[in-house]
Amino acid sequence: GDSVTQMEGPVTLSEEAFLTINCTYTATGYPSLFWYVQYPGEGLQLLLKATKADDKGSNKGFEATYRKETTSFHLEKGSVQVSDSAVYFCALSTGANNLFFGTGTRLTVIP
Amino acid sequence: NAGVTQTPKFQVLKTGQSMTLQCAQDMNHEYMSWYRQDPGMGLRLIHYSVGAGITDQGEVPNGYNVSRSTTEDFPLRLLSAAPSQTSVYFCASSYSRQAAGNTIYFGEGSWLTVV
Repeated sequence: GDSVTQMEGPVTLSEEAFLTINCTYTATGYPSLFWYVQYPGEGLQLLLKATKADDKGSNKGFEATYRKETTSFHLEKGSVQVSDSAVYFCALSTGANNLFFGTGTRLTVIP
Repeated sequence: NAGVTQTPKFQVLKTGQSMTLQCAQDMNHEYMSWYRQDPGMGLRLIHYSVGAGITDQGEVPNGYNVSRSTTEDFPLRLLSAAPSQTSVYFCASSYSRQAAGNTIYFGEGSWLTVV
């Protein structure tokens, strides 16, 4: 079945460090891929998305490229800030009215 | 600019009690859904609705009921609460089918504890 495997955390980085959070997926057909972010005490917010192979989603300095050959959608940011501390979720949707989420990766950025 | 509004934010229930989590959206979205979030398991779909009068089961529907009498509202009912239903619940909505890559908007969550 459809599923998302996400890098386990927690991840702790110093401010201005480079961030990568790995995400790979298994899906039939051609899924759309998403990264959601959850700040403490809040709901999930869409961070970025890609709807077809080789698309790059980007937002707030974060990027992820839809790689069909490696079934991956890794999240990257060149220089993290304290305000990026949150839980990040990779997710996919196919044609079945359903979003499949990864387990989430908690990121803590220290000054 | 309310978006998706969930109530209550926090609730403690005793085993066997029933309750309803309310969800309302003001964006005229066709599609609404309920997820639960448990540690180490991400979010899992409970029930969803593609429009008023239409509901369907998701991945973990047992112990929950939903109805969609209006476009705006999508309440989630716990019929007889069990400790296994202790979780954080999120309501979500989108313009149409989620599968088309539409942006999905989430509420702020409802923290439920069943003792």
